[in-house]
Amino acid sequence: KAGVTQTPRYLIKTRGQQVTLSCSPISGHRSVSWYQQTPGQGLQFLFEYFSETQRNKGNFPGRFSGRQFSNSRSEMNVSTLELGDSALYLCASTVLGGARNEQFFGPGTRLTVL
Amino acid sequence: DQQVKQNSPSLSVQEGRISILNCDYTNSMFDYFLWYKKYPAEGPTFLISISSIKDKNEDGRFTVFLNKSAKHLSLHIVPSQPGDSAVYFCAASSPGNQFYFGTGTSLTVIP
Repeated sequence: KAGVTQTPRYLIKTRGQQVTLSCSPISGHRSVSWYQQTPGQGLQFLFEYFSETQRNKGNFPGRFSGRQFSNSRSEMNVSTLELGDSALYLCASTVLGGARNEQFFGPGTRLTVL
Repeated sequence: DQQVKQNSPSLSVQEGRISILNCDYTNSMFDYFLWYKKYPAEGPTFLISISSIKDKNEDGRFTVFLNKSAKHLSLHIVPSQPGDSAVYFCAASSPGNQFYFGTGTSLTVIP
């Protein structure tokens, strides 16, 4: 069974631009969560999608948004990029979601904002 | 506000000895805890979990201990192997909510 895939793996953008990251969960998994990892901050929860609906949302500004498609693939979008948005963005999938199931993580997308 | 804390950014241990990684949390509603391991250029992989109804869970060389009164959990790796060198994250959750992750501890096992 293929694992969680994320595209692109690396991305360089400039301040003010917007970016879209993609995540394909493990086949059969209906929940996708997104995290931002920065040095010294660990993994910060962005949001969780289940069956195309946002189920949980972390404490990030509205510039961060996401969506999930009927095939469970998910995208996250960051508008008006700031230097502080430079981070590793990880997505994780689970069968049913919720915080009682092991999450399977993708390799992440490394975003650099110049 | 960091609800899950890993106060040791790094730890070095000799091969064959015990590695103890620590994690503290502040939210008394947390009732499910996990440890993940992360190698460079890879996503975190699940190691072991524990629910608050237990105080210990063991899986091979890995044991997680939970002290609810102290709001503290620890991961013991015995014996430590060079392949265990990675960053370890603890995570906690309460019913219906997302996981909160710690900042990670980088473990180096010296051959």
